[in-house]
Amino acid sequence: DQQVKQNSPSLSVQEGRISILNCDYTNSMFDYFLWYKKYPAEGPTFLISISSIKDKNEDGRFTVFLNKSAKHLSLHIVPSQPGDSAVYFCAAGRSGYALNFGKGTSLLVTP
Amino acid sequence: EPEVTQTPSHQVTQMGQEVILRCVPISNHLYFYWYRQILGQKVEFLVSFYNNEISEKSEIFDDQFSVERPDGSNFTLKIRSTKLEDSAMYFCASSASGRDTQYFGPGTRLTVL
Repeated sequence: DQQVKQNSPSLSVQEGRISILNCDYTNSMFDYFLWYKKYPAEGPTFLISISSIKDKNEDGRFTVFLNKSAKHLSLHIVPSQPGDSAVYFCAAGRSGYALNFGKGTSLLVTP
Repeated sequence: EPEVTQTPSHQVTQMGQEVILRCVPISNHLYFYWYRQILGQKVEFLVSFYNNEISEKSEIFDDQFSVERPDGSNFTLKIRSTKLEDSAMYFCASSASGRDTQYFGPGTRLTVL
């Protein structure tokens, strides 16, 4: 029961360009969406979130877009930096309940 | 910056043994969670805990698992009789309220031999 899907297991982007990571979900009850960044042997680090009442949230170089009708969200990183290279997890849930994670997208930013 | 801590970072145990994984959530947080990630798979929810009781649990969290908040700072996950398939990274998370972001600890790698 994959309620959160990240269909691209990996993405390679040149430094300075935009990275776009995508995520789809199936449960229309989800009202809270988050992106986490994870390095090997570390826990997920919170990056940015968005609630279902918004369609965009921005924090510095990171912007999350939510399209509720398509049950789709995306994370934009502009400009991408080599330090952004990590695995990015999309997570979704109902506020106060368990988070459902995607399988992650491994981002490589090359100099 | 406050953070969730977990001990030990790596635990190796024999099948059938009991293990206790420990977590210290962020101090003013009230909601606590355990997740796990089997190698190569996604992060999976195990259990959430609020007001000294389990508020939600997944089908993974069977009778072999239990959680406890023995004092004002620690939050523990006990696996009574470990199986080979319990080998995974176990992550603790906490949030200030049920509607807030969950912050994760660095994880405990459990290896069952």
